[in-house]
Amino acid sequence: DTEVTQTPKHLVMGMTNKKSLKCEQHMGHRAMYWYKQKAKKPPELMFVYSYEKLSINESVPSRFSPECPNSSLLNLHLHALQPEDSALYLCASSQADRGDYSNQPQHFGDGTRLSIL
Amino acid sequence: QKEVEQNSGPLSVPEGAIASLNCTYSDRVSQSFFWYRQYSGKSPELIMSIYSNGDKEDGRFTAQLNKASQYVSLLIRDSQPSDSATYLCAVKRYGNKLVFGAGTILRVKS
Repeated sequence: DTEVTQTPKHLVMGMTNKKSLKCEQHMGHRAMYWYKQKAKKPPELMFVYSYEKLSINESVPSRFSPECPNSSLLNLHLHALQPEDSALYLCASSQADRGDYSNQPQHFGDGTRLSIL
Repeated sequence: QKEVEQNSGPLSVPEGAIASLNCTYSDRVSQSFFWYRQYSGKSPELIMSIYSNGDKEDGRFTAQLNKASQYVSLLIRDSQPSDSATYLCAVKRYGNKLVFGAGTILRVKS
């Protein structure tokens, strides 16, 4: 079991649906992340929130919309996704470091496996 | 040149042997380096972090860092079948950004 909890574990949705992925951590971490991982590939960073503010958006299409309601929660809102968006979506958290180069390790949740029909 | 490079493997070792996993990185100013283990269908699990040149040991795992050569390695002693997984090298870039290598598949044969 991990200390970063993601729900749901599996999600199947059509291309016209709207759904949300949720992530919660209670480790007091102030940095939270969304990654996308395709089969047999490494995780790819999508978004970084630091102190509840979006600090990095890796040129992610607008059909993915992140939200950080508070320091423990991170959401990823999905709308009009494409079949190529089917992947494992991973949430991670870490201590935040205001320096240019943080040495804080990131801890991952179990992920949400998303399938787009 | 990729930012973080790993041999994709598979690396096959017999049970009880030492497994040696290697990683090189391109950004000379990188300061923080991590090894994650990922079992098939699961999420990455942090197993080692290293920030200074030299060796860092934790149980059967030893991470080695050489910043001059831009090289990070992970040694697994007394390898067990349960160590069979993909090992991801990750390098921390500017502003909390973590960049992963493609991963090395390790197979430990009993």
